[in-house]
Amino acid sequence: GAVVSQHPSWVICKSGTSVKIECRSLDFQATTMFWYRQFPKQSLMLMATSNEGSKATYEQGVEKDKFLINHASLTLSTLTVTSAHPEDSSFYICSARFGGNMNTEAFFGQGTRLTVV
Amino acid sequence: GNSVTQMEGPVTLSEEAFLTINCTYTATGYPSLFWYVQYPGEGLQLLLKATKADDKGSNKGFEATYRKETTSFHLEKGSVQVSDSAVYFCALSGGYGGSQGNLIFGKGTKLSVKP
Repeated sequence: GAVVSQHPSWVICKSGTSVKIECRSLDFQATTMFWYRQFPKQSLMLMATSNEGSKATYEQGVEKDKFLINHASLTLSTLTVTSAHPEDSSFYICSARFGGNMNTEAFFGQGTRLTVV
Repeated sequence: GNSVTQMEGPVTLSEEAFLTINCTYTATGYPSLFWYVQYPGEGLQLLLKATKADDKGSNKGFEATYRKETTSFHLEKGSVQVSDSAVYFCALSGGYGGSQGNLIFGKGTKLSVKP
């Protein structure tokens, strides 16, 4: 299957600083990328959907100004957690899909564990 | 709205035991159903899928049948191996409630297989 690379795999940052997470599709052009958040023993919750070259669509309850998403190219999307706080500590996962067909397989990155201290 | 409910784990089995992980869903329209697997330290991988009622998805000895009448998509394997130890996620996509086809996941079920 196609490969989606997420970087970094883990990061520890101080409260109040910003952290950028990258999601790259290595061997296909990702028309759409999704960002999820996973709390311990909870399901993956969709945060936002981004299409290349346009603004991301955020799910209800997700702060746009806190979780900045950029999808500048067909192979790269970034999630920036601004002014991070301990409650932002979580596992963030991206996925990428080619095309808009709902049945098209989405390929996932390995996830980024963020710890804010 | 759309939702997925799957059995809570952890599930611990001996090698060669029979596995069932229950998954039921709530959705309007005609969603596609998926099972994803997450091995330790890795990202989610698609295990199998079914796109319409009565379809059976299968892969690596796992199978699941899309049952519209019971809104279920239970995952089964006849004989598990230690290498099957992972977290399994049931998910749905599409239907009238899906936005751009994003996936809606269950909470995941951790499977541990002992030798």
